Amino acid sequence: GESVGLHLPTLSVQEGDNSIINCAYSNSASDYFIWYKQESGKGPQFIIDIRSNMDKRQGQRVTVLLNKTVKHLSLQIAATQPGDSAVYFCAENPNQGPGANSKLTFGKGITLSVRP
Amino acid sequence: DTEVTQTPKHLVMGMTNKKSLKCEQHMGHRAMYWYKQKAKKPPELMFVYSYEKLSINESVPSRFSPECPNSSLLNLHLHALQPEDSALYLCASSQGVSNYGYTFGSGTRLTVV
Repeated sequence: GESVGLHLPTLSVQEGDNSIINCAYSNSASDYFIWYKQESGKGPQFIIDIRSNMDKRQGQRVTVLLNKTVKHLSLQIAATQPGDSAVYFCAENPNQGPGANSKLTFGKGITLSVRP
Repeated sequence: DTEVTQTPKHLVMGMTNKKSLKCEQHMGHRAMYWYKQKAKKPPELMFVYSYEKLSINESVPSRFSPECPNSSLLNLHLHALQPEDSALYLCASSQGVSNYGYTFGSGTRLTVV
């Protein structure tokens, strides 16, 4: 797999390899994080989320890691498939107190391109 | 029903026109949102409705006017838009008002001419 920060717009991986997409978030008050996948012509699709009381969460073929010390979030995709090709966004929700409205803020996004 | 439905999918309007974007969800979600997304950029929050009341307006120009007629519907009324307002307008909903994942619609691709 290849690790790329969000300052690089495109990550190209070979089909079957693992992908790692990184995100640096800015708000230390954020306590809820989500990864979204957006395919061309569609809205963002929820992939996986994690709350700040966790370091790692696993889904089907995806894992999210959270490092609060350095404000870093990553998405790992196992055995990347052509259908994984899309733009990936991390999103954070600052904790504004009990009952406060969420205000999900998106990172810049990275394009994942899967080579057959 | 686990979807957020947006209509129309595409809209072309002149700068003097008045049009409306519609959004509907039947998941019982109590918070609904409008986002604007320019090409190759992340979605940017415009408005948040919580229990049918406007709770957040991210300093959006008054030529965009949101409306929430009931808990399932969200509209965005457009008037006197500028060409730079051309974008993908996304509606989303969430189960609660904080710390829940959002479900997004597919968006309305708006072109202002």
